[in-house]
Amino acid sequence: NAGVMQNPRHLVRRRGQEARLRCSPMKGHSHVYWYRQLPEEGLKFMVYLQKENIIDESGMPKERFSAEFPKEGPSILRIQQVVRGDSAAYFCASSPLGGNTEAFFGQGTRLTVV
Amino acid sequence: DQQVKQNSPSLSVQEGRISILNCDYTNSMFDYFLWYKKYPAEGPTFLISISSIKDKNEDGRFTVFLNKSAKHLSLHIVPSQPGDSAVYFCAASGRGGQNFVFGPGTRLSVLP
Repeated sequence: NAGVMQNPRHLVRRRGQEARLRCSPMKGHSHVYWYRQLPEEGLKFMVYLQKENIIDESGMPKERFSAEFPKEGPSILRIQQVVRGDSAAYFCASSPLGGNTEAFFGQGTRLTVV
Repeated sequence: DQQVKQNSPSLSVQEGRISILNCDYTNSMFDYFLWYKKYPAEGPTFLISISSIKDKNEDGRFTVFLNKSAKHLSLHIVPSQPGDSAVYFCAASGRGGQNFVFGPGTRLSVLP
């Protein structure tokens, strides 16, 4: 049973470009969470999705950021018109039942905006 | 306003001794708590969890204690090993599909 797969592991974008980060949850998991870790900081919640639905996006910046988890395929975190402050490690986690169960993390995508 | 707090940014322990990592929370709706370990450039790895109906959960060298009245939990690692050196995150979630809220982490160094 493969773990949570994130790709790419490293992504470099110039200011103003778009960044697309992909997350394939563990088999049988329908709940996906995205977190961001800035240098020397902890994990900050961004968005919680269940297949085709956004459950909680209270941690998402209001502009430029969006997330989806379609019926088929991976979850996508999309950042439009990236700025230097978007440089961070982005982690995806999945769980089978949502709250009150363990969530398992992927290896993360390290985004660098130059 | 931090809902999950880990007030010690770092902790150093001698190999073979006990490591105790602490975590406090403020939201009384939290009823499920988890500990994760994270190495640099890797994703967090799940260690152990505890439901609010219990006050202790043990898995090998790792034990988590929960004190609901004090809104406090701790992770005990015994005996500590150099490979345990990592950043440890406490996380909490609640009923009804809440997300997981993480503390800022404690960096544990186990000295040989």
